[in-house]
Amino acid sequence: NAGVTQTPKFQVLKTGQSMTLQCAQDMNHEYMSWYRQDPGMGLRLIHYSVGAGITDQGEVPNGYNVSRSTTEDFPLRLLSAAPSQTSVYFCASSYFSGQGKAGYTFGSGTRLTVV
Amino acid sequence: GENVEQHPSTLSVQEGDSAVIKCTYSDSASNYFPWYKQELGKRPQLIIDIRSNVGEKKDQRIAVTLNKTAKHFSLHITETQPEDSAVYFCAANSMDSNYQLIWGAGTKLIIKP
Repeated sequence: NAGVTQTPKFQVLKTGQSMTLQCAQDMNHEYMSWYRQDPGMGLRLIHYSVGAGITDQGEVPNGYNVSRSTTEDFPLRLLSAAPSQTSVYFCASSYFSGQGKAGYTFGSGTRLTVV
Repeated sequence: GENVEQHPSTLSVQEGDSAVIKCTYSDSASNYFPWYKQELGKRPQLIIDIRSNVGEKKDQRIAVTLNKTAKHFSLHITETQPEDSAVYFCAANSMDSNYQLIWGAGTKLIIKP
C-alpha cells in the first residue's frame, strides 16, 4: 500500500513549456485534489475530483488542467508554464465517512521551478 | 460557504512551555475539525482531529478543544520539544462542498531552546 505517489519530485521548466505532474493512489478513494503551496504560505486548492470522470475548479485553477479517467490517477497539466507557477504542488487523496470525517493523505510533493 | 481563520501566523515559545493555536469557522453545520502538521520540506500529516459531538480530545502532549457555540477550536501542545517545530494547519469540513476540508492559512511554530 503506497498511499499517494507523486512524480516527479523536482522539476525545472522554461517559461512557455508544458508538463504533466502525475498523481496515483492505491486506497480506492473517490476524492482527489491538487494544491499549490508557495513559500511560507498555506494550501491553495487548484482542481479537485469527486470521482472518475468528474472534475471541478478550486481557488486557483487558471493555467492548469486536470482529468480523471480512472479512480487511481489524477494528473495535473501545466499548459504554458509561467514563473508565477513556481511552487510546491501537493496531490491529496481523501475518503469521507457518513459522519463527515474526512481523511486526507498527501503525496510527498513536487517542487516546480519555472525560469 | 465555510471560511476558516487561523491565528497566530507565527508562534515562538520556549522549549518546555505550552503552545496554543486557535481557529474559527463560519459554518455552524461543520462537524469535523482536523489538525495537520507539516515539517519543513515534508507533506502535511494528520496529528489529531475532533468531531462536533465531542468537546475535547487528547493524545499524549497534544489536545484539541472545540467550542461549537463560539465556532472555534484550538490545538494545545504541552511540554513543547524541538521536534514540535513545524507549520500547523487547521481545517473544517464544508457541508456545501461534499464534506471537503476548508483549510486555515497555517501557523509556524518555533520552539526556542
